[in-house]
Amino acid sequence: EPEVTQTPSHQVTQMGQEVILRCVPISNHLYFYWYRQILGQKVEFLVSFYNNEISEKSEIFDDQFSVERPDGSNFTLKIRSTKLEDSAMYFCASSAYAGGLNQPQHFGDGTRLSIL
Amino acid sequence: GENVEQHPSTLSVQEGDSAVIKCTYSDSASNYFPWYKQELGKRPQLIIDIRSNVGEKKDQRIAVTLNKTAKHFSLHITETQPEDSAVYFCALMGRDDKIIFGKGTRLHILP
Repeated sequence: EPEVTQTPSHQVTQMGQEVILRCVPISNHLYFYWYRQILGQKVEFLVSFYNNEISEKSEIFDDQFSVERPDGSNFTLKIRSTKLEDSAMYFCASSAYAGGLNQPQHFGDGTRLSIL
Repeated sequence: GENVEQHPSTLSVQEGDSAVIKCTYSDSASNYFPWYKQELGKRPQLIIDIRSNVGEKKDQRIAVTLNKTAKHFSLHITETQPEDSAVYFCALMGRDDKIIFGKGTRLHILP
């Protein structure tokens, strides 16, 4: 069964540094998402992306965050100047359809981001 | 706004017994309700979902019920097994296809 893959599995970064988290969505999926889960808390939506532009973003997704699909397979989340409170598990997800069609989103294994 | 309330936060069940997790929501426009299982350090894994045009869906030992009028939905796991121990999240698909998660239920299956 095809899967969403994420790299790295664990990223340790000094506060103030830039970090890029990478995702390879399922190959025939067109809609991509990033979610965040702070340790012991619920999963929170960050951003959705379709047709090379952001569809929706949450209040967490401020100017320090950006997303990009640099080629036909990768989908990246960049945090420009990391803060301690950015420490969390970041999940990428993808779906074949969206736009109100209520299709399942499939999650990757996540990247654990630790800010020192 | 879009919100999902989930309870209980922790649930301990004797192996072989049933477990029930309940969720309520506020946005009557919601039409898709997935349930995710998350084992420690792993991804949220979709285990079952239900759309608003049905009231109940079953997949082996797992069933989900939906009451759109009352805006609540529930997960039922029967004949629980040790491997059912995990955190379970109810969720709904909000506007613009974002998934809104509940706070999770930590399910412990006792031997």
